Amino acid sequence: SQTIHQWPATLVQPVGSPLSLECTVEGTSNPNLYWYRQAAGRGLQLLFYSVGIGQISSEVPQNLSASRPQDRQFILSSKKLLLSDSGFYLCAWSFPGVIKTQYFGPGTRLLVL
Amino acid sequence: QKEVEQNSGPLSVPEGAIASLNCTYSDRGSQSFFWYRQYSGKSPELIMFIYSNGDKEDGRFTAQLNKASQYVSLLIRDSQPSDSATYLCAVSGSARQLTFGSGTQLTVLP
Repeated sequence: SQTIHQWPATLVQPVGSPLSLECTVEGTSNPNLYWYRQAAGRGLQLLFYSVGIGQISSEVPQNLSASRPQDRQFILSSKKLLLSDSGFYLCAWSFPGVIKTQYFGPGTRLLVL
Repeated sequence: QKEVEQNSGPLSVPEGAIASLNCTYSDRGSQSFFWYRQYSGKSPELIMFIYSNGDKEDGRFTAQLNKASQYVSLLIRDSQPSDSATYLCAVSGSARQLTFGSGTQLTVLP
């Protein structure tokens, strides 16, 4: 069976500091990978998705970036955090190809002060 | 116009009643439809998906899809307090990503 991990679980960072969130998937090969952000009481905003190593599509222009250095590893980064970057960051995966069902990791709660 | 719309609620139903959650979407080319449940402070978990017009049942949950009217709904029979959560509707078209609604908060009163 497949499992997805995210860390850290919670993070408090000052404005202007860098960010690195990591997501890994086990039990499947070449998954599609996604980063979402959910602001308090809001829906899910797709930030990035990737269909393979080194392939990143950005959905929302902002001060965040994503990388996929390995098949089952997805990293979300920022050089300088803003207050508006606070939120619940969710990584998700789906099988490659046309299957759309996405499965979410436990999430990282980020508070920027 | 939002691509996927849901009533934000909160929706309250008594224990044992049927909870009805609705979702409309704007892209007529949408092909796949998903319902996720999200408990407070947790990540979304998949309840069920539906691709074809009509009803699909899974235990106490029934998803209903009407592509002509561009709506999808989720019925929860015999609602339990443990069903209290936010329910997210998600829709996909030809692209790999899903578009999520903002969710409906459901409270089941004991």
